[in-house]
Amino acid sequence: AQTVTQSQPEMSVQEAETVTLSCTYDTSENNYYLFWYKQPPSRQMILVIRQEAYKQQNATENRFSVNFQKAAKSFSLKISDSQLGDTAMYFCAFMNAGNNRKLIWGLGTSLAVNP
Amino acid sequence: SAVISQKPSRDICQRGTSLTIQCQVDSQVTMMFWYRQQPGQSLTLIATANQGSEATYESGFVIDKFPISRPNLTFSTLTVSNMSPEDSSIYLCSVGRSLNYGYTFGSGTRLTVV
Repeated sequence: AQTVTQSQPEMSVQEAETVTLSCTYDTSENNYYLFWYKQPPSRQMILVIRQEAYKQQNATENRFSVNFQKAAKSFSLKISDSQLGDTAMYFCAFMNAGNNRKLIWGLGTSLAVNP
Repeated sequence: SAVISQKPSRDICQRGTSLTIQCQVDSQVTMMFWYRQQPGQSLTLIATANQGSEATYESGFVIDKFPISRPNLTFSTLTVSNMSPEDSSIYLCSVGRSLNYGYTFGSGTRLTVV
């Protein structure tokens, strides 16, 4: 069975600095997708970035980028130039590319951006 | 991505009663899911809402407690039946149109059972 592990329950960073959130996963599949979602206090779950396992190039969305290491089954999220609005829970999620389209979730990392 | 309207946004209910949560999408979607998120925790999938047929429930969730309807490709409801304080949680619907783009979530329903 697939599992997703986020080993950092809480993190903090100073505004304008860079922070990296870690995520590892376990799967025997070769084709899958990985996601980072953000959940601010408003509780709206927002997709931050996604990565297809068959792509070697790391995904980037503005200040957000990932370090995808397929062999190591690692999928970390880097937030550059952190802003106060980045304060939120961040969830890493895995999805098999097969018929089962369910997301497997990590437990989340609570990120606080300090002024 | 799809725009989701989830209602109500919050409610306080008496134990033993039922609450129906609605999820309306602005476009047709193939995949629709219902999640529960207990305070400070990750998301737990309750069921996959199937259009025109019975929902597919995850282990630990049953139709009698969480009946789900999905009459078409843009709408679904989740009912939390015979509620107890343990049902206090955030309930979220999620939809997906294409595998490549991930899933979109509603704004959630914060349920408190007293």
